[in-house]
Amino acid sequence: QSVLTQPPSVSGAPGQTVTISCTGSSSNIGANYDVHWYQQLPGTAPKLLIYGNNNRASGVPDRFSGSKSGTSASLDITGLQADDEADYYCQSYDSSVSGSGAVFGGGTKLTVL
Amino acid sequence: QVQLQESGPGLVKPSETLSLTCTVSGYSINSAYYWGWIRQPPGKGLEWIGSIYHSGSTYYNPSLKSRVSISVDTSKNQFSLTLTSMTAADAAVYYCVRHSAVVWFGDLLFGGFDIWGQGTMVTVSS
Repeated sequence: QSVLTQPPSVSGAPGQTVTISCTGSSSNIGANYDVHWYQQLPGTAPKLLIYGNNNRASGVPDRFSGSKSGTSASLDITGLQADDEADYYCQSYDSSVSGSGAVFGGGTKLTVL
Repeated sequence: QVQLQESGPGLVKPSETLSLTCTVSGYSINSAYYWGWIRQPPGKGLEWIGSIYHSGSTYYNPSLKSRVSISVDTSKNQFSLTLTSMTAADAAVYYCVRHSAVVWFGDLLFGGFDIWGQGTMVTVSS
């Protein structure tokens, strides 16, 4: 069970907008730690998409945007394209009595219909 | 450009120790970045294992801390992972990564993992 909770799957038609949520708690996102997002195309290593909640990594189109509020974060993808079909992961930092470190969401599979 | 390449055995016996090395090219490991390991079991999500700075400062996932060691060899521009007492649950693709971070009152506040190796699959079987 992941520390950060993401929906297992989302889908949308080409050209549409989808939102992927990432829900945490007071020991991670709610403690104002940054959220980062990754895209993993089938059979490849993950790629950094968004860092520091809402900053696009180099070369990432502006169709991808991130936001954070309270104990949750979101990744919005506008103008869906076929090659956006991938797994998406959120990541933050968690600090609790049992220890601290980087934590990931369980991942969301995006299907472009 | 910056490239990371994992190397090591693809098959480890249960109870034995896994050793992997990541070779960094196109960038000095003696920089203001951290270097880490992340793994992904087949069909599952990502798990941070640990990170190291070129000074030798290390940070580990609490759930793996008793079995993990990460070291750095600045002369070879490499860093390495050792994971003891391997079980089937440790079978995964292991990635080496680069990331920025700020140490804040003992906590390692991570920037994003911006450079990833291609990953190496490790199977645990006798």
